[in-house]
Amino acid sequence: GQNIDQPTEMTATEGAIVQINCTYQTSGFNGLFWYQQHAGEAPTFLSYNVLDGLEEKGRFSSFLSRSKGYSYLLLKELQMKDSASYLCAALDSNYQLIWGAGTKLIIKP
Amino acid sequence: GAVVSQHPSWVICKSGTSVKIECRSLDFQATTMFWYRQFPKQSLMLMATSNEGSKATYEQGVEKDKFLINHASLTLSTLTVTSAHPEDSSFYICSASEGQGFYEQYFGPGTRLTVT
Repeated sequence: GQNIDQPTEMTATEGAIVQINCTYQTSGFNGLFWYQQHAGEAPTFLSYNVLDGLEEKGRFSSFLSRSKGYSYLLLKELQMKDSASYLCAALDSNYQLIWGAGTKLIIKP
Repeated sequence: GAVVSQHPSWVICKSGTSVKIECRSLDFQATTMFWYRQFPKQSLMLMATSNEGSKATYEQGVEKDKFLINHASLTLSTLTVTSAHPEDSSFYICSASEGQGFYEQYFGPGTRLTVT
């Protein structure tokens, strides 16, 4: 079956760095998305990786290893507004998005 | 760019009534639109995928006669929850994707449905 695993909850301190991991098992693979979702709101796009390696976009970076079925989202210089759920989603061979349950990130002052 | 709107933002209805939720892409043409529901503290659950002018493709376990989807144009899709029951209370989110081979989904703000 198809599966996405990511931690349920993480806590970090304002100004610090946090890495949210995601492992996936899908029928075929056409890329991996990270979305941010604040409570009661819809998800917003953060990143898309289809090739191995690290993609940096401001304070947020996303890494992919296709051979390991692994990705991570790295958040630097954490701000209180980064408190949200972070959803990992993999695109399978039918170009369907398989969603993880999300990681709730709590930022403490 | 790439803005998706949903209407209404929230709705309360009585058991047995029907509710229509609209999803519009405001500044692009949405070849494909998706409808999700999300229960508290859970991930998104895809209900159906629709392409403009075609019948929607429903995910396993989603009743197509209960959740009617119409993708009438490249900028509008509607979801009608028919004969709503309290267990249909949820956060319904639509998303839209533009063009063939373009898989980033732009999400609407969501509609919170409460059935009493």
